[in-house]
Amino acid sequence: QKEVEQDPGPLSVPEGAIVSLNCTYSNSAFQYFMWYRQYSRKGPELLMYTYSSGNKEDGRFTAQVDKSSKYISLFIRDSQPSDSATYLCAMSEEGGADGLTFGKGTHLIIQP
Amino acid sequence: EPEVTQTPSHQVTQMGQEVILRCVPISNHLYFYWYRQILGQKVEFLVSFYNNEISEKSEIFDDQFSVERPDGSNFTLKIRSTKLEDSAMYFCASSDPWAGRETQYFGPGTRLLVL
Repeated sequence: QKEVEQDPGPLSVPEGAIVSLNCTYSNSAFQYFMWYRQYSRKGPELLMYTYSSGNKEDGRFTAQVDKSSKYISLFIRDSQPSDSATYLCAMSEEGGADGLTFGKGTHLIIQP
Repeated sequence: EPEVTQTPSHQVTQMGQEVILRCVPISNHLYFYWYRQILGQKVEFLVSFYNNEISEKSEIFDDQFSVERPDGSNFTLKIRSTKLEDSAMYFCASSDPWAGRETQYFGPGTRLLVL
């Protein structure tokens, strides 16, 4: 059973659009939810970090967690061509394993 | 802004050879990690290291792998006898326990190719 599922895309949207990226998971013990951005052949860059359920906003980015549905989202407002990258969700348990469990990533393309 | 650095950026080796991948974590971080990403696959956790010992390791981290913090700044991953399937991107990460060990910052990676 795959723990974290993420649509690999590619997801192509015009510049300025609102982007919605999503992950589902099966492990109800996950409490920490992260979004990373990864440019081609580079390391993952931490974008957002959320604990348990709720929303968190940082500039153009909003992270949302719905633990009852085991579903997390990342919204990007006013998308820019520089946002084109692969977006990875990652999760971990509270007081549990050190290692993060990643989704496979969604490849996002913002068309100028 | 402080960042995790890794050397080399690329490494090509023959099957059966030993390789050492090097990382300099962010200076005030206390947790260190290695992950790998096979081309087209998920980022996978290998091992975590805290207080000079392995904190946790995954099933992938078998006896062929070892980690070391030889001095106050470097963190290394050694693969003793490389296999073709070890070809992957290897990422080092570190975290600050005060900010939460979940907030892990990744280096740029070392691309390992085993021939």
